[in-house]
Amino acid sequence: DIQMTQSPSSLSASVGDRVTITCRASQSISSSLNWYQQKPGKAPKFLIYGASNLQSGVPSRFSGSGSGTDFTLTISSLQPEDFATYYCQQSYRTPMYTFGQGTKVEIK
Amino acid sequence: QLQLQESGPGLVKPSETLSLTCTVSGGSIRTSSYYWGWIRQTPGKGLEWIGSTYYSGGIYYNPSLKSRVTISVDTSKNQFSLKLSSVTAADTAVYYCARDGQYCSGGACYSGLNWGQGTLVTVSS
Repeated sequence: DIQMTQSPSSLSASVGDRVTITCRASQSISSSLNWYQQKPGKAPKFLIYGASNLQSGVPSRFSGSGSGTDFTLTISSLQPEDFATYYCQQSYRTPMYTFGQGTKVEIK
Repeated sequence: QLQLQESGPGLVKPSETLSLTCTVSGGSIRTSSYYWGWIRQTPGKGLEWIGSTYYSGGIYYNPSLKSRVTISVDTSKNQFSLKLSSVTAADTAVYYCARDGQYCSGGACYSGLNWGQGTLVTVSS
């Protein structure tokens, strides 16, 4: 199994802040890393694929980087609608996916 | 636009079999490029992949659940289904169906998940 570890598990931030979430894989997964956003009571929304490629319709304030085992999701200027939980997911072993435990972004 | 919708009982008794169906609209399940799968979410274990299948076969199960899981496809109804046997309270979760599609940029292609809205299944007597 490829284990995915996110940090931090939660963070508090203000509107306009720059936010960074990290995800580490237990082995190299090249660039096969996706990010999802989930709001309470809703299904995860697909944000980024291939570590750094924005899904259609995702605002440009979201960006992703990394390869191998270490990855980052950055929100350049946090907006009210961005308060949510974010998950990373490896697609290296498709369809045997594994997910990070999530990072909850809360209002400071 | 592709939509996936889970359906099935919201309450299942311990030791019984959980059965869910995912109905696909806005696209055909008979597309060889896609996996169709099930994922569940619990507060304790987070997001857990259950299993996936191509419409024509090739089924993959999470080893931790493999002995209790069956995934099947009904192409005539554009649906795929999940059965999880011998359930316990630990199987209480929100269950999602999802399509694993291909997304390409700069000459490289990657898979990514499009999700149904999810359905809560509670295991309780």
